[in-house]
Amino acid sequence: RKEVEQDPGPFNVPEGATVAFNCTYSNSASQSFFWYRQDCRKEPKLLMSVYSSGNEDGRFTAQLNRASQYISLLIRDSKLSDSATYLCVVNIPGGNNAGNMLTFGGGTRLMVKP
Amino acid sequence: EPEVTQTPSHQVTQMGQEVILRCVPISNHLYFYWYRQILGQKVEFLVSFYNNEISEKSEIFDDQFSVERPDGSNFTLKIRSTKLEDSAMYFCASRRTSGSREQYFGPGTRLTVT
Repeated sequence: RKEVEQDPGPFNVPEGATVAFNCTYSNSASQSFFWYRQDCRKEPKLLMSVYSSGNEDGRFTAQLNRASQYISLLIRDSKLSDSATYLCVVNIPGGNNAGNMLTFGGGTRLMVKP
Repeated sequence: EPEVTQTPSHQVTQMGQEVILRCVPISNHLYFYWYRQILGQKVEFLVSFYNNEISEKSEIFDDQFSVERPDGSNFTLKIRSTKLEDSAMYFCASRRTSGSREQYFGPGTRLTVT
């Protein structure tokens, strides 16, 4: 079973649409959760951290369900510039808490069309 | 805004050669990481580094690889006796403190082994 699983897409949506991505993770010891975005052949860029209570940053809303080991990202009013791959990322701390390796999902590709 | 920087942006080397990839983490960050991404695949953790020693390493990070912080600013990844399958994007990342989980990525070095 994959550690972090995402629908690879692509999701093709018109400008202004609302789109939702889902992600599941297998390791119940996971402590921190993130969404990163990655443009083609570029580095992952932190979009937002995901908190248990859910959090919002402008047009972006992230939710976490620890019981179901499920993370979601909602993008409202999609812009052309939102076109990218969205990476679901989970942090499993090391034994001495200094490691904190990130485990990445394969990403969900979003294409926003005019 | 401070950024992680990496050099070179692209490195071409012949099989069997040694390469050193360089990173300058964000200046007040204490935790450093290397990840790699083979073309078309997900980002994979290689190694984490804190207080001048390796905190954690993945199965990928075998004796062929080593990391070093030779001075107060640089963080390097050395790959000895490169193989064709080492061709990938190598990303350096840094994190500020133990209380902060977010990791920030550099632009990457694209390594091509011929």
